[in-house]
Amino acid sequence: GAGVSQSPSNKVTEKGKDVELRCDPISGHTALYWYRQSLGQGLEFLIYFQGNSAPDKSGLPSDRFSAERTGGSVSTLTIQRTQQEDSAVYLCASSLSPGGPGYEQYFGPGTRLTVT
Amino acid sequence: LAKTTQPISMDSYEGQEVNITCSHNNIATNDYITWYQQFPSQGPRFIIQGYKTKVTNEVASLFIPADRKSSTLSLPRVSLSDTAVYYCLVGFGGSQGNLIFGKGTKLSVKP
Repeated sequence: GAGVSQSPSNKVTEKGKDVELRCDPISGHTALYWYRQSLGQGLEFLIYFQGNSAPDKSGLPSDRFSAERTGGSVSTLTIQRTQQEDSAVYLCASSLSPGGPGYEQYFGPGTRLTVT
Repeated sequence: LAKTTQPISMDSYEGQEVNITCSHNNIATNDYITWYQQFPSQGPRFIIQGYKTKVTNEVASLFIPADRKSSTLSLPRVSLSDTAVYYCLVGFGGSQGNLIFGKGTKLSVKP
């Protein structure tokens, strides 16, 4: 079946512009996660959705970052007034449900964001 | 959530067995131990998960001692295609769900 998809695969934007990154999770997966990975670094958790609600937004680095999920499916991560330090690969993952055995997250290919 | 410590890098040769050990001294009673693999320009991929003792699948084995303060991922007879970054994570998720990824172990397999 289809995996997690993300679009665009690459995005180059000018400092100060807003960007939207999209994630299509695996059908039926109720949990959705956003992570950020800077060059040569591990993954940094941003936000987690269970259905359409986000019980954990603790990883969002500033109020310029926001995310929403509609219909328990597609999610959009929005970065306003982008800064150069926002340049990174943004990864989305989904899972059937959080916690317990079988707690496997399936990752998309990521969106590489470059802020010039 | 428990933090993990693992070597930054490891080198190996084709055909050898590779063991990557991860320390997680403050693992909680209900935490599971999970390993992910990441190739360049790709998202991480689940390899194996366990709670205690030993777990084996078609890709790897995971050894967990009784105190669960560490775990060892064992890759039998590695090939060049096993060159990747390997992440050890502990957690249960529950209402939170997120995984804490460290910098992982970069495994380089040489011919």
